[in-house]
Amino acid sequence: AQSVTQLDSQVPVFEEAPVELRCNYSSSVSVYLFWYVQYPNQGLQLLLKYLSGSTLVKGINGFEAEFNKSQTSFHLRKPSVHISDTAEYFCAAINAGGTSYGKLTFGQGTILTVHP
Amino acid sequence: EAQVTQNPRYLITVTGKKLTVTCSQNMNHEYMSWYRQDPGLGLRQIYYSMNVEVTDKGDVPEGYKVSRKEKRNFPLILESPSPNQTSLYFCASSLSQGRTEAFFGQGTRLTVV
Repeated sequence: AQSVTQLDSQVPVFEEAPVELRCNYSSSVSVYLFWYVQYPNQGLQLLLKYLSGSTLVKGINGFEAEFNKSQTSFHLRKPSVHISDTAEYFCAAINAGGTSYGKLTFGQGTILTVHP
Repeated sequence: EAQVTQNPRYLITVTGKKLTVTCSQNMNHEYMSWYRQDPGLGLRQIYYSMNVEVTDKGDVPEGYKVSRKEKRNFPLILESPSPNQTSLYFCASSLSQGRTEAFFGQGTRLTVV
């Protein structure tokens, strides 16, 4: 991907409310898409990934994301968040072809804060 | 346990004093890479390696060196650190370059004064 854009730098939400974290990508070739989560003072861990097939992918901790090729989007959703979901979330894309095959590009990150 | 281990976790150093951040993985992964994380910029790739003795520049390689003499190790070297290299650094590994997920170390917070 030439670029990955996360549209919100911070998202505050109350516990048990639904949440959507938005991600758009720009690429001249096909891409594989990922969402990673970073808890405070930790490394990144994979939430979910889209490689091919069904455009709705489910990940760990009740998160899901939908790949929309026409909108070049890969938004992350959870129907009911918990305090423990407070973290920074990163959208990422890998070029699936072309001269930059395998290059991993990250978005800027979205800090999700869940309030009681 | 499958993991990527970075050391040290925290480091404060002075401008110009050479330092090395080590990275080791126990998953027999071919592909390893270094990223720096800065507020509002996400993670940017510094260098990557597709296998032993094969390394290449990422998006922000200036001021950094790497080596890959063994499959499991991929150290990041700052020959002459400067304050603009103050950042949070992550090492990552994956089975191969492409569609497989990356596994990340815990991070190294570097401060250059």
